[in-house]
Amino acid sequence: EPEVTQTPSHQVTQMGQEVILRCVPISNHLYFYWYRQILGQKVEFLVSFYNNEISEKSEIFDDQFSVERPDGSNFTLKIRSTKLEDSAMYFCASNQGADGYTFGSGTRLTVV
Amino acid sequence: DAKTTQPNSMESNEEEPVHLPCNHSTISGTDYIHWYRQLPSQGPEYVIHGLTSNVNNRMASLAIAEDRKSSTLILHRATLRDAAVYYCIPLTGFQKLVFGTGTRLLVSP
Repeated sequence: EPEVTQTPSHQVTQMGQEVILRCVPISNHLYFYWYRQILGQKVEFLVSFYNNEISEKSEIFDDQFSVERPDGSNFTLKIRSTKLEDSAMYFCASNQGADGYTFGSGTRLTVV
Repeated sequence: DAKTTQPNSMESNEEEPVHLPCNHSTISGTDYIHWYRQLPSQGPEYVIHGLTSNVNNRMASLAIAEDRKSSTLILHRATLRDAAVYYCIPLTGFQKLVFGTGTRLLVSP
């Protein structure tokens, strides 16, 4: 069964550092998303991406965040200057309609 | 976004059927009713979705009320692996999923 692959599974970074979280969506999917989940809290939407541009973003997705699809397979989330409150699980998802959204296993980001 | 109401938690025994209810009285005419689940320490997983009529797949069945203001996810024989948080999410097209707090399903051997 096709999968969404996320790397790394766990990233520890110092406050103020830049991090890039990587995702490989399912190959024929055209809609891509990032969500995050702070420990013990709800899954929160960050951004959706279609046709090489952001289609929607949440209030969380401020100027410190950016997304890119640098080639035909990868979809990345960059946090420019990490804060302690960015510590969370980050999930990538992709969608092509009939079978719902497919999520990756997530990257646990720990900011120290 | 349509508001949903789900019980905080439910319990079941293994191999028994489970009916997980969801109220979505403000659902729009174009919203499909999606169900996702999140197993411990994993990403959300698609379960099933439907518009008006009942739907079945290999994981579950979805019963949708005639007025579409509520739905029920049916797991025909719960297994320990079904212990998860279950979310019902009304959704149109390729919009973002809006997760609530869901129902935590506990399955006992």
